[in-house]
Parts: sequence; C-alpha cells; structure tokens
Amino acid sequence: AQSVTQLGSHVSVSEGALVLLRCNYSSSVPPYLFWYVQYPNQGLQLLLKYTSAATLVKGINGFEAEFKKSETSFHLTKPSAHMSDAAEYFCAVRALYSNQFYFGTGTSLTVIP
Amino acid sequence: AAGVIQSPRHLIKEKRETATLKCYPIPRHDTVYWYQQGPGQDPQFLISFYEKMQSDKGSIPDRFSAQQFSDYHSELNMSSLELGDSALYFCASSLPGINYGYTFGSGTRLTVV
Repeated sequence: AQSVTQLGSHVSVSEGALVLLRCNYSSSVPPYLFWYVQYPNQGLQLLLKYTSAATLVKGINGFEAEFKKSETSFHLTKPSAHMSDAAEYFCAVRALYSNQFYFGTGTSLTVIP
Repeated sequence: AAGVIQSPRHLIKEKRETATLKCYPIPRHDTVYWYQQGPGQDPQFLISFYEKMQSDKGSIPDRFSAQQFSDYHSELNMSSLELGDSALYFCASSLPGINYGYTFGSGTRLTVV
C-alpha cells in the first residue's frame, strides 16, 4: 500500500529563512511523488514532481525537493522564505500502476515578517 | 492557459437533498478524478474516470455516483445529503500516462445544513 507521512502539521519560519517541509513515503517500490500547495479557499497547485528521473527536482516559486531512496524521503525545501509562501503544503504519492493519489495530512507553513 | 473548471463554487443544501457538482477538465485531458477534503483534512480520493469509464474507486459513499460524459466533463451526484458531507470537493484532470501530476480545479464548497 502507498502512503506518505508529513512530519509537522505546522511549520513557522522567518521571512528569508530556510523552508524545510518533511515527507516520507511508504512503498515497496519507489513511487511517483508530488508536492502540492493550497492557498486559502483555492485548489491544489502542483509545485513539483519526482518520476524516477533526476533525484533533485526543481519546482515553481523557488522550491525544490530531493528524492532519497535510502531514507524513503522527499522533503521540500526553499532557501529563502517569502511571505507569499504561507499556505498548506501536501505531499502525495502515486503508485507506478495506479491512477490514485494518496495525500499526506498536510503542513501549514507560516512565514513571520 | 485553460484550467480545470468546477461549478458551482459554493453550494448550500439541506439534509436529505441532492446535489450535482460539475467538472470540466483541461482540453485533451481524458482522465478525471474527484476528491473530498473535509475541514482541516487532506484530500480523500473518491473516484476517477478514464475515457468515460470508471477507472478507480476510493472511499465514495453509495449515496454518491459519478460519470464522465462524451465531452469528458464529469458530474458528481450526491443524494440523501448528510451534515458530514460538508466539504470541499475537488476535481482534477490529467493527460494519459501515469507520470503526470494532476491539475486541480478550485473546488466546490458544499455546505449541508
């Protein structure tokens, strides 16, 4: 079965500080992994995805994530937080032969001025 | 660029009423997915369609049904509404192929009173 675990339901960082949102997956084989961002009252927007190509994936808005098979992790990072990054972030996994996504419980990012 | 269109944006229904949510995927996207997101929760997969046929089924109650039409738009029909059905309902679409991320619509917020 596929699943993802997001450590920390709330993360606060100062503006300009490093953003690190953690995601660990559970899968018997490396799956496809995604990070989505959700702004208040809006839909989910794809930030980046890992599909078995490069392990370091760059996404939109300066975010990137690194797939580490040995740690079964896909943590999301951004070198310098911006006020506009405040949102809910969801890690998601999709099995190799499935249409279904499984979302983590989400991490709410607060950026402090 | 065209996005996934959902209608209505907001819907208020009374208990035991019925509701129909509509989703118009991005042109050329032939796969549609429905998700339910309760307050403060992660999105839960309901059902998906590929080429107008149901392709996968998640935690969709028997009171709900859905279909995809010849123009690829999809409708989620919800009957005998319960207070617990109050949630944000997302539709997403994708291209054929399992290494694509979904593109989500902005969602329909259903409130059952």
